[in-house]
Amino acid sequence: AQTVTQSQPEMSVQEAETVTLSCTYDTSESDYYLFWYKQPPSRQMILVIRQEAYKQQNATENRFSVNFQKAAKSFSLKISDSQLGDAAMYFCAYTSGTYKYIFGTGTRLKVLA
Amino acid sequence: SAVISQKPSRDICQRGTSLTIQCQVDSQVTMMFWYRQQPGQSLTLIATANQGSEATYESGFVIDKFPISRPNLTFSTLTVSNMSPEDSSIYLCSVERQGVAFLEETQYFGPGTRLLVL
Repeated sequence: AQTVTQSQPEMSVQEAETVTLSCTYDTSESDYYLFWYKQPPSRQMILVIRQEAYKQQNATENRFSVNFQKAAKSFSLKISDSQLGDAAMYFCAYTSGTYKYIFGTGTRLKVLA
Repeated sequence: SAVISQKPSRDICQRGTSLTIQCQVDSQVTMMFWYRQQPGQSLTLIATANQGSEATYESGFVIDKFPISRPNLTFSTLTVSNMSPEDSSIYLCSVERQGVAFLEETQYFGPGTRLLVL
């Protein structure tokens, strides 16, 4: 069965600094998709970034980028120039291409002014 | 992306009662999903709702407890029946949107309904 593990329950970062959130997953599939979702205190889940496993290039969206290591089954999220609005729960998610998403337990990110 | 609204945004209910949560999407979608997020926990899929067919429930969730309706391609409801304090959670609906690229599906979430059962 596929699993998603986020080993950091909570992280802190100073405003304008860079932080990396970790995610590992387990699957026997060769084609799949990985996501990072952000859930601010208002609780609306927002898609931050997605990565297709068949793409070697790491996805980037403005200040957000991923380090996708397929062989190691690792999918970390780097947030550059952290802002106060980045404070939220961040969930890593996996799907093999079916409708079913598997979520990690989340990492709470605190941004310190 | 998708514009998804849910009603109510929050509610406090007495045990033994039922609550129906509505989910409205800004455009037609084939599949809608209902998730539960218990306090401090991750998201767990309750069921998948397709228009015109019975909802498909995940292990641990049953239709008698969480009946779902899907009357059209933009709307769905989830009822939490005979509630107990253990049902206190955030309930989220989501939809899947496919892009023009092969298998470019992504799920987008509604704002959630925060339920407290006393």
